[in-house]
Amino acid sequence: EAQLVESGGGLVQPGGSLRLSCVGSDLNVRDSFMNWVRQAPGKGLEWVSILYPDGTIHYADSVKGRFSFSRDNSKNTVFLEMNSLRGEDTAVYFCARSTIAEGLDVWGQGTTVTVSS
Amino acid sequence: QSVLTQPPAVSGAPGQRITISCTGSSSNIGAGYDVRWYQQVPGSAPKLIMYDNNKRPSGVPDRFSGSKSGTSASLAITGLQAEDEADYYCQSSDTILRHFVFGTGTKVSVL
Repeated sequence: EAQLVESGGGLVQPGGSLRLSCVGSDLNVRDSFMNWVRQAPGKGLEWVSILYPDGTIHYADSVKGRFSFSRDNSKNTVFLEMNSLRGEDTAVYFCARSTIAEGLDVWGQGTTVTVSS
Repeated sequence: QSVLTQPPAVSGAPGQRITISCTGSSSNIGAGYDVRWYQQVPGSAPKLIMYDNNKRPSGVPDRFSGSKSGTSASLAITGLQAEDEADYYCQSSDTILRHFVFGTGTKVSVL
């Protein structure tokens, strides 16, 4: 069964940086559409970014220019580099695979990012 | 800033049928993009329960069904069970935003 496991969350001050990781098992991130989705406390789901197998990347307007999505094929891992963090970035960040037909079909358990002084 | 609108809460007694609506626009659901539905138990990751508007992934009970018409979609749960208590989100794509969009979410309670 395909699985994703995120790590790297924590407490960071406004303006700071953090890097999230997501490692896949029984799932090849190089050949997959990989996404980050976040959920602020008590709020709904918000799509953040997608990385295509061909390397194309799209970002939500709310994080464009501050977040960077990358991939390490040798480690079967994707990363979300988050800079210039703001209070509104506080959320649980989920890594998820999407397919053209089914949407977001495999999700990690999430990692919590708290931006606060 | 969700572009898909859902009712905040829906409730029903065990065994009843409930429906959750998902209203979009001509740039997302109305543009022909498929609708997916996710179930999220508080404290857990979302789980895909419906894709391609009305298809259930393996393991999802046939009590769940989906439909789409025009700029809206809906999820129905028949024979409501206590284990169905969760938050439900619809999701589609958007021509203008050019990426995935989620609904506002609906909390389902079993009375």
